[in-house]
Amino acid sequence: DTGVSQDPRHKITKRGQNVTFRCDPISEHNRLYWYRQTLGQGPEFLTYFQNEAQLEKSRLLSDRFSAERPKGSFSTLEIQRTEQGDSAMYLCASSWGVQETQYFGPGTRLLVL
Amino acid sequence: AQTVTQSQPEMSVQEAETVTLSCTYDTSESNYYLFWYKQPPSRQMILVIRQEAYKQQNATENRFSVNFQKAAKSFSLKISDSQLGDTAMYFCAFMKQGVYNNNDMRFGAGTRLTVKP
Repeated sequence: DTGVSQDPRHKITKRGQNVTFRCDPISEHNRLYWYRQTLGQGPEFLTYFQNEAQLEKSRLLSDRFSAERPKGSFSTLEIQRTEQGDSAMYLCASSWGVQETQYFGPGTRLLVL
Repeated sequence: AQTVTQSQPEMSVQEAETVTLSCTYDTSESNYYLFWYKQPPSRQMILVIRQEAYKQQNATENRFSVNFQKAAKSFSLKISDSQLGDTAMYFCAFMKQGVYNNNDMRFGAGTRLTVKP
């Protein structure tokens, strides 16, 4: 068990481009969460999955954002037509189940120029 | 809505001394969980300690302990015998209890702790 991994660790893109991030949770964790963290702030919830089902989305997740977890294992977060305000650290976390502790990955730092 | 407040943006402590980080929260829920996470510089966030609201006993993990005051909605973290490796951002977090809740966590803005040699 190597923990939650995320790829890429850093991404620089130009405004208007699409980006996709990947998260691999701890194996056998059925819950997967995405958070966004801006400089000097704590993480803010974006969305979560139980197995392959996306069960909740925050109002922070605009129409330009989409997340998938096709086989209940890894997840992807795509941002279309990126804006400078999307610059942030995107964190993924996983847990074994409801009410269980969430374990975080190292994050993907996005910079939109 | 649940909110978490960490009123100390930055703190420092001398190595081997004790420091307490403050956290207050606002909720109408009776059952919930509280967490302290540590985020070292350029490294991932790791769990320090977890407290179930229904437990009266304060959680402890080696040098880390909490003072959980449910009525006051206060959840402070005490670090004893501070070490240089404790230098990090510390986040207090709240999570609702219940199988039908999404269990997303609400985080405070964090406290940057520096341990000085």
